[in-house]
Amino acid sequence: AQKVTQAQTEISVVEKEDVTLDCVYETRDTTYYLFWYKQPPSGELVFLIRRNSFDEQNEISGRYSWNFQKSTSSFNFTITASQVVDSAVYFCALWTKAAGNKLTFGGGTRVLVKP
Amino acid sequence: SQTIHQWPATLVQPVGSPLSLECTVEGTSNPNLYWYRQAAGRGLQLLFYSVGIGQISSEVPQNLSASRPQDRQFILSSKKLLLSDSGFYLCAWRYYRWTGDEGDTQYFGPGTRLTVL
Repeated sequence: AQKVTQAQTEISVVEKEDVTLDCVYETRDTTYYLFWYKQPPSGELVFLIRRNSFDEQNEISGRYSWNFQKSTSSFNFTITASQVVDSAVYFCALWTKAAGNKLTFGGGTRVLVKP
Repeated sequence: SQTIHQWPATLVQPVGSPLSLECTVEGTSNPNLYWYRQAAGRGLQLLFYSVGIGQISSEVPQNLSASRPQDRQFILSSKKLLLSDSGFYLCAWRYYRWTGDEGDTQYFGPGTRLTVL
């Protein structure tokens, strides 16, 4: 079975601080994809990144960076120099061949960035 | 480019009333379509998904149903709403592929906030 755990339910930081969101996944499949989504107060889920299991390179996009470590089954997300607009709920998700059409979501981490 | 629409954006309904939420996708053909529900302060729960017209898979037994009357239209319905049906309903789509890279991204619509009183 597939499982995604986001142990941090809520993180509060002051603007310009860095914040790291943890994501730990479980799967027996060797082929899988990992995703991060952002859900701002408006509610829509915004796609941030997709990473397949054969690509362990870390990625940076502006103030966002992702650290994929297969050895620890983790796909952590860091926001550098956080801004108030980063306040949202962030979801990590897993797709595996065994799950077919479905994504397995973590419970989400609420990030509150205070000015 | 592809866009996904949901309506209504918000809905307040009495217990026992019927429900119909609509989702449409533009700019792609034969997408996979999904309905999710998010209860207040909770994670996402997959309700239904569809790989084609008239093909619906149910994930959670409940008083909700889904239909796909057209290629890019997905409808969530109920004959009689319960208080527990309150929540935020999200529709999503992804590309359909026969083979190869199947771990495609799901793209979400703006959602419908349903309050059952």
